[in-house]
Amino acid sequence: GAGVSQTPSNKVTEKGKYVELRCDPISGHTALYWYRQSLGQGPEFLIYFQGTGAADDSGLPNDRFFAVRPEGSVSTLKIQRTERGDSAVYLCASSLTRRQGVGSTEAFFGQGTRLTVV
Amino acid sequence: DAKTTQPPSMDCAEGRAANLPCNHSTISGNEYVYWYRQIHSQGPQYIIHGLKNNETNEMASLIITEDRKSSTLILPHATLRDTAVYYCIVRVVNQGGKLIFGQGTELSVKP
Repeated sequence: GAGVSQTPSNKVTEKGKYVELRCDPISGHTALYWYRQSLGQGPEFLIYFQGTGAADDSGLPNDRFFAVRPEGSVSTLKIQRTERGDSAVYLCASSLTRRQGVGSTEAFFGQGTRLTVV
Repeated sequence: DAKTTQPPSMDCAEGRAANLPCNHSTISGNEYVYWYRQIHSQGPQYIIHGLKNNETNEMASLIITEDRKSSTLILPHATLRDTAVYYCIVRVVNQGGKLIFGQGTELSVKP
């Protein structure tokens, strides 16, 4: 597709359940990012993939959160034993990358998945 | 933590220029200044970025001070559709470079 696609757009789950959130990046984009945004706050960085590997997972809040990108394209954010505090909009972004010194490129964001834990 | 400081909110009259300031006094030599905006219920949208020279595109202009410690995003003729939260971000130049968002400036364009 033309942009970053996230599915589902909305997800309601019960406390303690497991959820998976999917991100389809722009074709050819090697960098992929996950963010979480709570109401009234700016997006909070979770994890960054360069190709298939997680280059920076310093933003994952705890071991209930995990993300994969097995083929270097689609990514899945997985949340185990969900808690009410996990309720937020989860945003995915992708970008091209260039070799160091040439310059960075802009990241394109999807519309997000609104997760509600009840 | 975000490395930028922005006013929490601003108003602008429709048709007038909107000038959004940002302080980034601890910016490093290899960091670019990026601006994104987020319209309600949408994902952030890229506006413009720069290193040290002023930049202009179809959406906005970016003015960076000579010491690079602050910048201003200029929307030359603001419309009601420009009402959004505007984020100023410094980003390391490397293979990727995560964006660290602060609280941003909520710009309200009024008729």
